[in-house]
Order: sequence, then C-alpha cells, then structure tokens
Amino acid sequence: DIVLTQSPATLSLSPGERATLSCRASQSVGTYLAWYQQKPGQAPRLLIYDASNRATGIPARFSGSGSGTDFTLTISSLEPEDFAVYYCQQRSNWPPLTFGGGTKVEIK
Amino acid sequence: QVQLVESGGGVVQPGRSLRLSCADSGFTFSTYGMHWVRQAPGKGLEWVAVISFDGSNKYYTDSVEGRFTISRDNSKNTVFLQMNSLKAEDTAVYYCAKDGTPTSGSFDPWGQGTLVTVSS
Repeated sequence: DIVLTQSPATLSLSPGERATLSCRASQSVGTYLAWYQQKPGQAPRLLIYDASNRATGIPARFSGSGSGTDFTLTISSLEPEDFAVYYCQQRSNWPPLTFGGGTKVEIK
Repeated sequence: QVQLVESGGGVVQPGRSLRLSCADSGFTFSTYGMHWVRQAPGKGLEWVAVISFDGSNKYYTDSVEGRFTISRDNSKNTVFLQMNSLKAEDTAVYYCAKDGTPTSGSFDPWGQGTLVTVSS
C-alpha cells in the first residue's frame, strides 16, 4: 500500500499569511494526488485533483504542485474560512485508496 | 447536480450488523462509481469500499474484507454498505462519495456522513 505522510501536523498562521502544506508518498504516484479540505463537523471537500487542478468552485488562492513522491498545497493568502484540516490522497495504485494523516491549519 | 444523503447509522453491539444507505438526488447515478469512506472520532480519513457504476466490480480495504458488502440499486439511486460482525474499531462517521470523473479514485462530492457506534 502507498503511505502518504503529511507535514507539518499543525500549521499556526494568521489571516493573510501564506500556507505551505507538504505531502510525501512512499512510492511514486505520478500526478495522481488530490487534496481535500475538512472543516469541523463537515464532510471533506475536494480542492485539488491530479496534483495541480483546482476542483469546480475552488478559489484561485489554492494551488497544488508536485509529482512523483513530493507534493505541496499552497494557500496564497489565508482567509478566515480556510482554517481547517487538509488531507492528501492518492489514486495511483489502488485498491486501496489511501490518505495522508492530515495537516491542521489553525489561527495563530 | 449530485447530492448525497446517508442514513442508517446508530449504536450497535459488537458482533451485530448494520446497513447504511446513501441516496443520490441526481439524475445520472447509474453512470458513476460510488465509495464509502470512514473517519473514526478525532482521526483521519480511511477508504472503505468502492462499487462500479453497474455493480460488477467491488473492492474493499483489508480490514473490512469478508465482513462488509457494498451494493447498489440504480433504480433507486442508492448505494448500500452492509456491515456484519461489527467491531469497536469500526466506530466512525461513514461518508459516501461519488467517484471522480474522469479522475476515478477521487471523491467528489461527499455526503454529510452517518455515525456508527459499536459498543456494548
């Protein structure tokens, strides 16, 4: 199974700052990596698919990059509604589909 | 537009069974695969199972293989998760999610989730 490791576990930032989240895969997933946002008490929402493509309705401040084993989700300028938990997920080699452990972006 | 609503969660004793349902109010349910994903309290996301658009292919995560069965009824726009021999570690919020198109193996959108608690 492909293991995804996210870092840091928690990111403490202020509104307006830039957030950089990392996801590392245990083996190459090509560009078959997605990012999801989950707010407390809500279901996850797809943000980015295939490493760098924004899902429908996702603001341009969210961007994804990377390929192979190293990926990054960048939020260019944090809005109050962006404080949440973010998960990466691979669809390169499945089943099983696997998720990273998540990064919590909290208000500093 | 796809809108998914789960039901069937609740409190169940270890070893018992429970059946979850996920209804889609959209019009193209029969054209795409469906997943179940779960999240234990305070934990991350875990993929559970997937079923193809016509029900001919099904896959499971190892920890539920042989205990859980995914199925669908396209005439009712509904996917099911039959959970047998439940264990305490199956306690989680269970989400259904549409398989991505054309990005099969991604999840978009998700239902609101239904909580399953396995406890004596």
